[in-house]
Amino acid sequence: NAGVTQTPKFQVLKTGQSMTLQCAQDMNHEYMSWYRQDPGMGLRLIHYSVGAGITDQGEVPNGYNVSRSTTEDFPLRLLSAAPSQTSVYFCASSYRGTAGEAFFGQGTRLTVV
Amino acid sequence: AQSVTQLGSHVSVSEGALVLLRCNYSSSVPPYLFWYVQYPNQGLQLLLKYTSAATLVKGINDFEAEFKKSETSFHLTKPSAHMSDAAEYFCAVKTGGFKTIFGAGTRLFVKA
Repeated sequence: NAGVTQTPKFQVLKTGQSMTLQCAQDMNHEYMSWYRQDPGMGLRLIHYSVGAGITDQGEVPNGYNVSRSTTEDFPLRLLSAAPSQTSVYFCASSYRGTAGEAFFGQGTRLTVV
Repeated sequence: AQSVTQLGSHVSVSEGALVLLRCNYSSSVPPYLFWYVQYPNQGLQLLLKYTSAATLVKGINDFEAEFKKSETSFHLTKPSAHMSDAAEYFCAVKTGGFKTIFGAGTRLFVKA
Protein backbone atom coordinates (compact mmCIF):
# COMPACT_ATOMS: atom_id res chain seq x y z
CA ASN A 1 0.00 0.00 0.00
CA ALA A 2 1.74 3.18 -1.22
CA GLY A 3 -0.32 5.68 0.84
CA VAL A 4 0.40 9.27 -0.22
CA THR A 5 3.01 9.75 -2.94
CA GLN A 6 4.58 13.11 -3.74
CA THR A 7 6.85 13.97 -6.64
CA PRO A 8 9.42 15.35 -7.03
CA LYS A 9 11.33 15.06 -3.74
CA PHE A 10 13.60 18.01 -4.55
CA GLN A 11 13.28 20.92 -6.97
CA VAL A 12 15.20 24.10 -7.69
CA LEU A 13 13.37 26.83 -9.61
CA LYS A 14 14.35 30.22 -10.88
CA THR A 15 12.24 33.21 -9.88
CA GLY A 16 9.28 33.50 -12.23
CA GLN A 17 9.22 29.89 -13.34
CA SER A 18 6.14 27.76 -12.86
CA MET A 19 5.85 24.14 -11.87
CA THR A 20 3.44 21.53 -10.55
CA LEU A 21 3.96 19.43 -7.44
CA GLN A 22 2.24 16.09 -7.79
CA CYS A 23 0.32 14.26 -5.06
CA ALA A 24 -1.50 10.95 -5.33
CA GLN A 25 -3.17 8.75 -2.73
CA ASP A 26 -4.46 5.21 -3.04
CA MET A 27 -6.58 5.05 0.13
CA ASN A 28 -9.79 6.43 -1.41
CA HIS A 29 -9.67 9.38 0.99
CA GLU A 30 -12.11 12.18 0.32
CA TYR A 31 -10.08 14.92 1.93
CA MET A 32 -6.72 16.09 0.59
CA SER A 33 -4.65 19.10 1.49
CA TRP A 34 -1.38 20.88 0.87
CA TYR A 35 0.78 22.35 3.61
CA ARG A 36 4.03 24.23 3.63
CA GLN A 37 6.50 23.79 6.45
CA ASP A 38 8.86 26.59 7.43
CA PRO A 39 11.19 26.66 10.45
CA GLY A 40 9.42 27.71 13.64
CA MET A 41 6.03 28.04 11.95
CA GLY A 42 4.71 24.50 11.96
CA LEU A 43 2.57 23.49 9.02
CA ARG A 44 0.43 26.07 7.28
CA LEU A 45 -2.50 25.06 5.12
CA ILE A 46 -2.28 26.26 1.51
CA HIS A 47 -5.31 24.67 -0.20
CA TYR A 48 -7.57 21.75 0.51
CA SER A 49 -10.21 19.63 -1.17
CA VAL A 50 -13.19 17.78 0.29
CA GLY A 51 -13.79 15.72 -2.84
CA ALA A 52 -13.32 15.59 -6.59
CA GLY A 53 -14.22 18.92 -8.16
CA ILE A 54 -14.25 20.79 -4.82
CA THR A 55 -11.34 22.89 -3.59
CA ASP A 56 -10.95 25.79 -1.19
CA GLN A 57 -8.28 28.12 0.13
CA GLY A 58 -6.39 27.60 3.33
CA GLU A 59 -4.30 29.95 5.38
CA VAL A 60 -1.64 30.90 2.79
CA PRO A 61 -3.10 30.40 -0.72
CA ASN A 62 -1.50 33.30 -2.61
CA GLY A 63 0.74 32.23 -5.48
CA TYR A 64 -0.62 28.69 -5.58
CA ASN A 65 -3.36 26.97 -7.55
CA VAL A 66 -5.00 23.56 -7.18
CA SER A 67 -7.53 21.37 -8.90
CA ARG A 68 -9.03 17.98 -8.09
CA SER A 69 -10.34 16.10 -11.09
CA THR A 70 -10.12 12.65 -9.46
CA THR A 71 -10.29 11.29 -5.91
CA GLU A 72 -6.68 10.11 -6.16
CA ASP A 73 -4.82 13.18 -7.41
CA PHE A 74 -4.39 16.68 -6.02
CA PRO A 75 -1.64 18.66 -7.81
CA LEU A 76 -0.33 21.99 -6.52
CA ARG A 77 0.72 24.58 -9.09
CA LEU A 78 3.13 27.41 -8.48
CA LEU A 79 2.17 30.08 -10.98
CA SER A 80 5.27 32.30 -10.86
CA ALA A 81 7.80 31.14 -8.30
CA ALA A 82 9.20 33.61 -5.77
CA PRO A 83 12.01 33.17 -3.21
CA SER A 84 9.38 33.41 -0.44
CA GLN A 85 8.00 30.10 -1.70
CA THR A 86 11.19 28.29 -0.75
CA SER A 87 9.87 25.70 1.67
CA VAL A 88 9.07 22.06 2.24
CA TYR A 89 5.67 21.10 0.87
CA PHE A 90 3.56 18.27 2.22
CA CYS A 91 0.47 16.70 0.79
CA ALA A 92 -1.92 14.93 3.18
CA SER A 93 -5.13 12.95 2.91
CA SER A 94 -7.72 11.78 5.41
CA TYR A 95 -11.11 10.14 5.73
CA ARG A 96 -14.24 12.21 6.07
CA GLY A 97 -14.93 12.99 9.70
CA THR A 98 -13.31 15.01 12.44
CA ALA A 99 -11.69 12.01 14.13
CA GLY A 100 -9.77 11.01 11.02
CA GLU A 101 -6.05 11.57 11.19
CA ALA A 102 -4.01 12.88 8.28
CA PHE A 103 -1.70 10.67 6.24
CA PHE A 104 1.28 12.55 4.85
CA GLY A 105 3.52 12.20 1.85
CA GLN A 106 7.32 12.37 2.16
CA GLY A 107 7.46 16.01 1.16
CA THR A 108 8.93 18.12 -1.64
CA ARG A 109 11.83 20.40 -0.81
CA LEU A 110 11.57 23.43 -3.08
CA THR A 111 14.22 26.11 -3.47
CA VAL A 112 13.51 29.24 -5.50
CA VAL A 113 16.61 31.22 -6.51
CA ALA B 1 -11.20 29.89 16.40
CA GLN B 2 -8.99 26.90 17.02
CA SER B 3 -5.35 27.26 17.92
CA VAL B 4 -2.54 25.16 19.29
CA THR B 5 0.42 26.31 21.38
CA GLN B 6 3.42 24.09 21.94
CA LEU B 7 5.57 25.29 24.82
CA GLY B 8 9.24 25.06 23.95
CA SER B 9 10.60 24.89 20.43
CA HIS B 10 13.43 22.66 21.65
CA VAL B 11 13.53 20.09 24.46
CA SER B 12 16.66 18.17 25.44
CA VAL B 13 16.64 15.06 27.66
CA SER B 14 19.12 12.36 28.56
CA GLU B 15 18.61 8.82 27.34
CA GLY B 16 16.41 7.01 29.86
CA ALA B 17 14.88 10.21 31.23
CA LEU B 18 11.24 11.22 31.15
CA VAL B 19 10.04 13.00 28.02
CA LEU B 20 7.42 15.73 28.47
CA LEU B 21 6.27 17.81 25.50
CA ARG B 22 3.63 20.41 26.26
CA CYS B 23 0.60 21.31 24.18
CA ASN B 24 -2.27 23.67 24.96
CA TYR B 25 -5.22 24.19 22.68
CA SER B 26 -7.97 26.71 22.24
CA SER B 27 -11.35 25.59 21.02
CA SER B 28 -14.94 26.64 21.62
CA VAL B 29 -16.23 23.10 21.04
CA PRO B 30 -14.93 19.70 22.12
CA PRO B 31 -11.79 19.07 20.13
CA TYR B 32 -10.14 16.10 18.53
CA LEU B 33 -6.43 16.23 19.35
CA PHE B 34 -3.46 14.59 17.70
CA TRP B 35 0.27 14.20 18.16
CA TYR B 36 2.39 13.60 15.09
CA VAL B 37 6.11 12.83 14.84
CA GLN B 38 8.43 13.85 12.02
CA TYR B 39 11.79 12.15 11.61
CA PRO B 40 14.46 13.93 9.54
CA ASN B 41 13.61 14.27 5.86
CA GLN B 42 10.31 12.46 6.26
CA GLY B 43 6.64 13.30 6.38
CA LEU B 44 4.58 13.42 9.55
CA GLN B 45 3.16 10.24 11.02
CA LEU B 46 0.53 9.79 13.69
CA LEU B 47 1.70 9.02 17.24
CA LEU B 48 -1.70 9.06 18.95
CA LYS B 49 -5.07 10.78 18.92
CA TYR B 50 -7.78 11.79 21.37
CA THR B 51 -11.35 11.35 20.18
CA SER B 52 -13.24 11.60 23.51
CA ALA B 53 -13.28 7.85 24.25
CA ALA B 54 -10.71 8.06 27.08
CA THR B 55 -8.74 10.94 28.51
CA LEU B 56 -5.48 8.96 28.68
CA VAL B 57 -4.42 7.94 25.22
CA LYS B 58 -1.66 5.47 24.45
CA GLY B 59 0.25 5.62 21.21
CA ILE B 60 3.14 3.97 19.46
CA ASN B 61 6.61 3.54 20.96
CA ASP B 62 5.33 3.91 24.59
CA PHE B 63 4.19 7.49 24.12
CA GLU B 64 1.00 8.59 25.81
CA ALA B 65 -0.94 11.81 26.28
CA GLU B 66 -3.59 12.94 28.71
CA PHE B 67 -6.48 15.20 27.74
CA LYS B 68 -7.22 17.70 30.52
CA LYS B 69 -10.24 19.80 29.67
CA SER B 70 -9.89 22.07 32.71
CA GLU B 71 -6.35 22.96 31.65
CA THR B 72 -7.02 22.81 27.88
CA SER B 73 -3.91 20.69 27.64
CA PHE B 74 -2.81 17.56 25.82
CA HIS B 75 0.77 16.98 26.94
CA LEU B 76 2.81 14.12 25.45
CA THR B 77 4.93 11.91 27.72
CA LYS B 78 7.21 8.90 27.54
CA PRO B 79 8.69 7.33 30.67
CA SER B 80 12.14 6.63 29.25
CA ALA B 81 13.68 8.39 26.27
CA HIS B 82 15.54 6.47 23.60
CA MET B 83 18.00 7.85 21.09
CA SER B 84 15.59 6.91 18.32
CA ASP B 85 12.98 9.33 19.77
CA ALA B 86 14.98 12.31 18.52
CA ALA B 87 12.60 14.01 16.08
CA GLU B 88 10.18 16.90 15.77
CA TYR B 89 6.78 16.54 17.38
CA PHE B 90 3.63 18.37 16.39
CA CYS B 91 0.41 18.78 18.33
CA ALA B 92 -2.71 19.33 16.22
CA VAL B 93 -6.42 20.04 16.71
CA LYS B 94 -9.56 19.46 14.67
CA THR B 95 -13.05 20.57 15.64
CA GLY B 96 -16.20 19.60 13.79
CA GLY B 97 -14.73 19.84 10.34
CA PHE B 98 -11.94 19.00 8.02
CA LYS B 99 -9.15 21.44 8.75
CA THR B 100 -6.29 20.39 10.99
CA ILE B 101 -4.48 23.17 12.82
CA PHE B 102 -0.87 22.38 13.78
CA GLY B 103 1.33 23.80 16.49
CA ALA B 104 4.76 25.19 15.64
CA GLY B 105 6.47 21.95 16.65
CA THR B 106 8.93 20.89 19.35
CA ARG B 107 12.25 19.39 18.43
CA LEU B 108 13.33 16.68 20.86
CA PHE B 109 17.04 16.06 21.39
CA VAL B 110 18.16 12.92 23.25
CA LYS B 111 21.63 12.92 24.82
CA ALA B 112 23.60 9.74 25.35
